Amino acid sequence: QQQVKQSPQSLIVQKGGISIINCAYENTAFDYFPWYQQFPGKGPALLIAIRPDVSEKKEGRFTISFNKSAKQFSLHIMDSQPGDSATYFCAAEDTGRRALTFGSGTRLQVQP
Amino acid sequence: SAVISQKPSRDICQRGTSLTIQCQVDSQVTMMFWYRQQPGQSLTLIATANQGSEATYESGFVIDKFPISRPNLTFSTLTVSNMSPEDSSIYLCSVGEYEQFFGPGTRLTVL
Repeated sequence: QQQVKQSPQSLIVQKGGISIINCAYENTAFDYFPWYQQFPGKGPALLIAIRPDVSEKKEGRFTISFNKSAKQFSLHIMDSQPGDSATYFCAAEDTGRRALTFGSGTRLQVQP
Repeated sequence: SAVISQKPSRDICQRGTSLTIQCQVDSQVTMMFWYRQQPGQSLTLIATANQGSEATYESGFVIDKFPISRPNLTFSTLTVSNMSPEDSSIYLCSVGEYEQFFGPGTRLTVL
């Protein structure tokens, strides 16, 4: 019930392309869905987040799409750049504990 | 966003010893969490540390192994006790709700 499933495990995209990472959840008590970006040796950095009452949120090149009925959400990185090469984690925060359950992570490599 | 620091940033410890990790926040926060990230893996919640109450531990984590203190609204410690090589991980504190921010982590290697 607490699991968040993330795919793909790794992704290689050409510079200027679109990177898409998908997540799915089961627990309906989740009410906040952030994405984190992590570079080697660093802590995760909050990238963008969405609440289930909206279907899409865009911040610059980053967009979250959210499908409440399917319990799925995705991150789209437009015009991907080599500097975007990092590990991306989706997560879900529950209404009670306010703790995060993380997906397994996606290692993104953007080739120049 | 809150600025979070952790000490030490990394350490190499011997089996059977204990290490206390500190987490300092630049503003008062209610919700504070401790996570573990094993090498090449995702983050797993160890416990929730709220000031004025006992820490709440997740399944698979116990207070005797990971005692936590939360003396005030800007500081917390996590102790990894009686360490074994399986405890080699990155330990991260985070703060906030709805927008949760992470510290830089403490990279622990147990020999």
